[in-house]
Amino acid sequence: AQKVTQAQTEISVVEKEDVTLDCVYETRDTTYYLFWYKQPPSGELVFLIRRNSFDEQNEISGRYSWNFQKSTSSFNFTITASQVVDSAVYFCALRANAGKSTFGDGTTLTVKP
Amino acid sequence: EPEVTQTPSHQVTQMGQEVILRCVPISNHLYFYWYRQILGQKVEFLVSFYNNEISEKSEIFDDQFSVERPDGSNFTLKIRSTKLEDSAMYFCASAGALSSYEQYFGPGTRLTVT
Repeated sequence: AQKVTQAQTEISVVEKEDVTLDCVYETRDTTYYLFWYKQPPSGELVFLIRRNSFDEQNEISGRYSWNFQKSTSSFNFTITASQVVDSAVYFCALRANAGKSTFGDGTTLTVKP
Repeated sequence: EPEVTQTPSHQVTQMGQEVILRCVPISNHLYFYWYRQILGQKVEFLVSFYNNEISEKSEIFDDQFSVERPDGSNFTLKIRSTKLEDSAMYFCASAGALSSYEQYFGPGTRLTVT
């Protein structure tokens, strides 16, 4: 069985602060993929990043960075110099091959001006 | 860039009515999925579909639900007799054969049952 835990239900920061969203996962599959999605108030799921289980390199994309640690089954997401537009619900998800995606409960990020 | 589309964007229906949610997956994709998100909650898997049959379904996907790929382009989710608790956002997703890990989500259909 797959499980994704996002322990932080809500986070509130002031603009320009850095913020890290935690994600811990469980799976018995040896090949799997991890994802982060952003869900703005409009409701759509915006794909942010995919990582496969063989690639533990951290990634940076602009103000976003991801830290994948297989040893601790974690895939954390950091936003540097947060902006009001970053306010949204963020979901971490796990998927094995062509199977279903299992989502975490989501973290609601509020960035105040 | 190819994308998954869903219609309608918002559907309001009365309890007990049948509703069909429509999705047009990316054209060369072979794997299709429906997910549900009750307001304020997480996204939950409903069903996956491959080679014209259901490959996996969750406990949520009971006899009230059915899926169909009636032609080469559409993928539909039917709810036979809607209940108040079916009110949610329904997301369709598709994935290709060569890159089956790439799952593309549609924009969602918000279903409101009154």
